[in-house]
Amino acid sequence: GAVVSQHPSRVICKSGTSVKIECRSLDFQATTMFWYRQFPKKSLMLMATSNEGSKATYEQGVEKDKFLINHASLTLSTLTVTSAHPEDSSFYICSGPSGEGINEQFFGPGTRLTVL
Amino acid sequence: AQSVTQLDSQVPVFEEAPVELRCNYSSSVSVYLFWYVQYPNQGLQLLLKYLSGSTLVKGINGFEAEFNKSQTSFHLRKPSVHISDTAEYFCAVSDNTGNQFYFGTGTSLTVIP
Repeated sequence: GAVVSQHPSRVICKSGTSVKIECRSLDFQATTMFWYRQFPKKSLMLMATSNEGSKATYEQGVEKDKFLINHASLTLSTLTVTSAHPEDSSFYICSGPSGEGINEQFFGPGTRLTVL
Repeated sequence: AQSVTQLDSQVPVFEEAPVELRCNYSSSVSVYLFWYVQYPNQGLQLLLKYLSGSTLVKGINGFEAEFNKSQTSFHLRKPSVHISDTAEYFCAVSDNTGNQFYFGTGTSLTVIP
């Protein structure tokens, strides 16, 4: 199956700093990628849809100024958590469509963010 | 809009026993259905998917699921579980573009030796 990578896998930062998470599709091109947030022992919550060449589409309740998304190329989307606070600590997962048909997403391994 | 309900948050089961993890969905349009497994601190791995055709879908690691349109269900089953099956299992639904996914709250499967 297609491969999606995320970097870093874990990050610890101080409150008030910004953190960038990269999501790469390694063997396919994606005009659209998705960012999810997973709270401990909870399901994945779709945060936003990242669109190559245009602005991201955010789900209701997600602060677009806090969670900046940039889809720089057909293989790279980045999520920047700005002025991070402890409540932003979470597991962030991205996904991209495989391109094989239109009906499967491949998920990255996730990034564990801990804000102190 | 679509939604997914996983009724069981935790399922303990003895090794080599059968297991069923329940999933119900609601949608006003045709949907695709998926089961994913997540091991601790890892991303999601696709177990199986239903797109069309046969309602009984076989996946990896000996899992299978049956799509029941009248009951709007997509329950996951395995006839004999192994210790290594201990993980979090998520049911998901998407519309027929396969782009936007909606996940259930997950079922934590614990296999007891």
